Amino acid sequence: DQQVKQNSPSLSVQEGRISILNCDYTNSMFDYFLWYKKYPAEGPTFLISISSIKDKNEDGRFTVFLNKSAKHLSLHIVPSQPGDSAVYFCAASAPNQFYFGTGTSLTVIP
Amino acid sequence: NAGVTQTPKFRVLKTGQSMTLLCAQDMNHEYMYWYRQDPGMGLRLIHYSVGEGTTAKGEVPDGYNVSRLKKQNFLLGLESAAPSQTSVYFCASSWASGGSTDTQYFGPGTRLTVL
Repeated sequence: DQQVKQNSPSLSVQEGRISILNCDYTNSMFDYFLWYKKYPAEGPTFLISISSIKDKNEDGRFTVFLNKSAKHLSLHIVPSQPGDSAVYFCAASAPNQFYFGTGTSLTVIP
Repeated sequence: NAGVTQTPKFRVLKTGQSMTLLCAQDMNHEYMYWYRQDPGMGLRLIHYSVGEGTTAKGEVPDGYNVSRLKKQNFLLGLESAAPSQTSVYFCASSWASGGSTDTQYFGPGTRLTVL
């Protein structure tokens, strides 16, 4: 029973264009959402997060949007760069509950 | 600061053998976690700890045991390894649980193969 879902296993985008990665969740008790980036043979690294009381958080080229009514969040990367090519995991948490999505592999084509 | 380190990086076991994976963090974090990553399954929480001397079950705890005798270390044990435990194991730590303190810092992973 996947509580956090990333329905797109892969995404390819041209350099300079926008990348949009999507994530859906089922548990309305989740109160904090995070995106992690993972390169091959490395552990995931934190990218950006958002509290459930907000609907948008921005950090440089990265913006996360949260739609609580739809139980949906998305990560926008603009402009996309070749170094952004990695697997992106979304994660959701409530006190002592932590769930990750299955990941989306982003390829940015030069 | 080394952050989160994991030992060993690679290991091959035969079915029925036992082993312990060691995780260490130097950030004085209270919370520590063990995950496994399998193709198409994402990261799944095995066990976690909310402080020294405490442990709790995560999403997929069966076949694993853990101990947190010291705040900086979190050990994951496999008493009798099975091929289904072939996976990449990640350790993580965080300040606490809730809001921004949920940000977890991950180790580089241990690739385990059980034949």
